[in-house]
Amino acid sequence: DTGVSQDPRHKITKRGQNVTFRCDPISEHNRLYWYRQTLGQGPEFLTYFQNEAQLEKSRLLSDRFSAERPKGSFSTLEIQRTEQGDSAMYLCASSSEENKFPYEQYFGPGTRLTVT
Amino acid sequence: AQSVSQHNHHVILSEAASLELGCNYSYGGTVNLFWYVQYPGQHLQLLLKYFSGDPLVKGIKGFEAEFIKSKFSFNLRKPSVQWSDTAEYFCAVYGNNRLAFGKGNQVVVIP
Repeated sequence: DTGVSQDPRHKITKRGQNVTFRCDPISEHNRLYWYRQTLGQGPEFLTYFQNEAQLEKSRLLSDRFSAERPKGSFSTLEIQRTEQGDSAMYLCASSSEENKFPYEQYFGPGTRLTVT
Repeated sequence: AQSVSQHNHHVILSEAASLELGCNYSYGGTVNLFWYVQYPGQHLQLLLKYFSGDPLVKGIKGFEAEFIKSKFSFNLRKPSVQWSDTAEYFCAVYGNNRLAFGKGNQVVVIP
């Protein structure tokens, strides 16, 4: 059983640089989510895709953030001009509306971003 | 928008003790509730879920949770914990195309 994978697992970057993360969902899952988790907090929703369409974006997702899911399979999350406040764990999750429990989300291991 | 409150963020207990973690949610639509667990160094895993039907749901590793609609609660319980239950536990409610999580409970079980 192949779960959700994310790459890279860790990223250290200098303030002002751009970074891009990748998420590969479970293959038959048409829904994909990005969350952000900081120390001492639960994950916070960033954005949601159904197939290739980005249907929801949180107010947390500033103009420096952009996400894509070009063919309805993998997704990328890009952060431009990184700031120290962007340091967090970025989580990807997927689900399938064909499942018996369509709202059950499966999470990847996350990408830990550190902005110095 | 939906929200979740979890209390007692840090819990320390001995093996064989009973565990109960509180979760209160706020959401006006159809309720779909979850408990996720994150073991040290591992990713979030689903512990149990409630969609409808029997308000007492059983999950993996001997955990159970009770949905009480009148109290907007979905508390997690385990009668006898083991050292391997040391983890962070998150309650979440689904709505508006997203999960809303609580801040989590850090549980440490002392052998």
